[in-house]
Amino acid sequence: DQQVKQNSPSLSVQEGRISILNCDYTNSMFDYFLWYKKYPAEGPTFLISISSIKDKNEDGRFTVFLNKSAKHLSLHIVPSQPGDSAVYFCAASAWANFGNEKLTFGTGTRLTIIP
Amino acid sequence: DAGVTQSPTHLIKTRGQHVTLRCSPISGHKSVSWYQQVLGQGPQFIFQYYEKEERGRGNFPDRFSARQFPNYSSELNVNALLLGDSALYLCASSWGTGEQETQYFGPGTRLLVL
Repeated sequence: DQQVKQNSPSLSVQEGRISILNCDYTNSMFDYFLWYKKYPAEGPTFLISISSIKDKNEDGRFTVFLNKSAKHLSLHIVPSQPGDSAVYFCAASAWANFGNEKLTFGTGTRLTIIP
Repeated sequence: DAGVTQSPTHLIKTRGQHVTLRCSPISGHKSVSWYQQVLGQGPQFIFQYYEKEERGRGNFPDRFSARQFPNYSSELNVNALLLGDSALYLCASSWGTGEQETQYFGPGTRLLVL
């Protein structure tokens, strides 16, 4: 049962435009959501997170939006730069319910920024 | 400050062998988690350790085991290796308070089982 889903395996965006990556989840116990970026042959790098008590969090070019009623979150990157080309993973956790910090990941979206 | 470090970076083993992977967390972090990532998938949770105690375990067979040392470093052990154990093994560390914490990942150990 895939509790975190990233339905777009790939996305191509022109440099300077907005990149929007989407993520859906099914487990209503999740209360913390994170986005990680991964280059080949490297570990995931933390980008931005959001608590379930918020609906938006912003950090520089990155903004994450959370819609709890729809069980949907999205990552916006503005403006997109060539260095943003990577695989992006959405992850979720529910420490209060599971008693541990287990992250449940989506399958990733490969973002390609076209110069 | 150094990030999460893992060793070795790459490893080749044959079926039936045993492997030990090592991880050093970010200084001050007391929690270490292990994940397995196979090609085309997101990382899958294997274990979390905090203060040398197992805090969580994912859906992996008993061939997988781990431990955490007094200096908070950790080892992941896999016995009786199968071809399907070929994957990138990731270690992540965090403070360990559990309150909506961010986990920071190391570069991973790529294991190939022949």
